[in-house]
Amino acid sequence: QAVVTQEPSLTVSPGGTVTLTCGSSTGVVTSGHYPYWFQQKPGQAPRTLIYHTSNKHSWTPARFSGSLLGGKAALTLSGAQPEDEAEYYCMLSYSGVGELFGGGTRLTVL
Amino acid sequence: EVQLVESGGGLVQPGGSLRLSCAASGFKFTSYWMAWVRQAPGKGLEWVANIKQDGSQTYSADSVKGRFTISRDNAKNSLYLQMNSLRAEDTAVYYCTNKDDSWGQGTLVTVSP
Repeated sequence: QAVVTQEPSLTVSPGGTVTLTCGSSTGVVTSGHYPYWFQQKPGQAPRTLIYHTSNKHSWTPARFSGSLLGGKAALTLSGAQPEDEAEYYCMLSYSGVGELFGGGTRLTVL
Repeated sequence: EVQLVESGGGLVQPGGSLRLSCAASGFKFTSYWMAWVRQAPGKGLEWVANIKQDGSQTYSADSVKGRFTISRDNAKNSLYLQMNSLRAEDTAVYYCTNKDDSWGQGTLVTVSP
């Protein structure tokens, strides 16, 4: 079975830029994996930030963007704010199999 | 307002069964694949199962295959998860979601003697 990998933790300075990545043990991540990015804060349900690689919702702050980078899915935060401190999960779809989450990245804004 | 409201969680003994329900409103339920996602205490998110818009295709994680069954009733805008042969490791908050934009608040399932 495939494994989806994320950085366990990252730290960014307020106003700084950070990129979270999402890799697959099966090889290159493509748009065909329909990458999703979710944000979860303590005690809250997850919230969808990015769907299908790079699509945003009305509630997705403009400072977040999704892309494919170096064979992985990527979530870039430009201009980090204290309220962006959270756990971030990516999810990939595997045709005929189902979906898998990465282990999550704990993002600290410090 | 988009809403997903889960129900049916609770305390159950190992080997027991539970049926979770999720009531959807505020969006076109029949347009979306729907999914159950769970989160064990202090752990990350785990995809459990999903179901196609018309119910004709379902997929489930290896960890629940043969024990859990996902289903939906489009006439009632409802999603279900039948959980049988429950184990301690199934203890988690179970979320209903269409992934694209909506998540419920979750329902806690505790499997314990």
